[in-house]
Amino acid sequence: QVHLVQSGAEVKKPGASVKVSCRASGYTFTSYDINWVRQATGQGLEWLGWVDPANGNTHLAHKFQGRVTMTTSSSIDTAYMELSSLRSDDTAVYYCARGGSGDYEFDFWGQGTLVTVSS
Amino acid sequence: QSALTQPPSASGSPGQSVIITCTGTSNDIGRYKYVSWYQQYPGKAPKLIIYEVNKRPSGVPDRFSGSKSANTASLTVSGLQAEDEADYYCSSYGGSNNVVFGGGTKVTVL
Repeated sequence: QVHLVQSGAEVKKPGASVKVSCRASGYTFTSYDINWVRQATGQGLEWLGWVDPANGNTHLAHKFQGRVTMTTSSSIDTAYMELSSLRSDDTAVYYCARGGSGDYEFDFWGQGTLVTVSS
Repeated sequence: QSALTQPPSASGSPGQSVIITCTGTSNDIGRYKYVSWYQQYPGKAPKLIIYEVNKRPSGVPDRFSGSKSANTASLTVSGLQAEDEADYYCSSYGGSNNVVFGGGTKVTVL
């Protein structure tokens, strides 16, 4: 069965960076994109972008270009999302989600990682 | 890219049907067949329930169905059950490798 397990909660100061990991199991890691989605408390879902573990290609939502880096390590079936220059409005739960075998849907999700930005 | 528009809330009694709309533009929902719907319980990760407008992943009850007309997609939950009380989000491919979500609809079972 497919599982995505994310790293634990983080507390960061404004201006710092955070790196969240997402370890995949139960499928061939390089066969599906990994997407990142965030959700501020009481708010909706916001798509950050995707990374292709097969070749490292990425595509970021315009809003996050220059501030988000997405990488993967195929040797340990893990994807990473790093967000820099953190602001208070980056406080949110960050999810990794596998791109489905169709197109542009996310069929399996990690449990989420709470990132809190506070001075 | 602007978020898709969903009503903030919807409700129905057990056994009834509830329809949730998701309005986009001719650049996203109106142009592509890649509309998805997700169900989310409080404190939990979203779960895919509809993809490519009207396809259901394995294990999703056929009480959930999707459709699309012009720039608006819809999710219908038939035979409403208590366990259907959750938040529902739509998403669409928006071109240029981008995905956009709706703001979410809270469904209450009366």
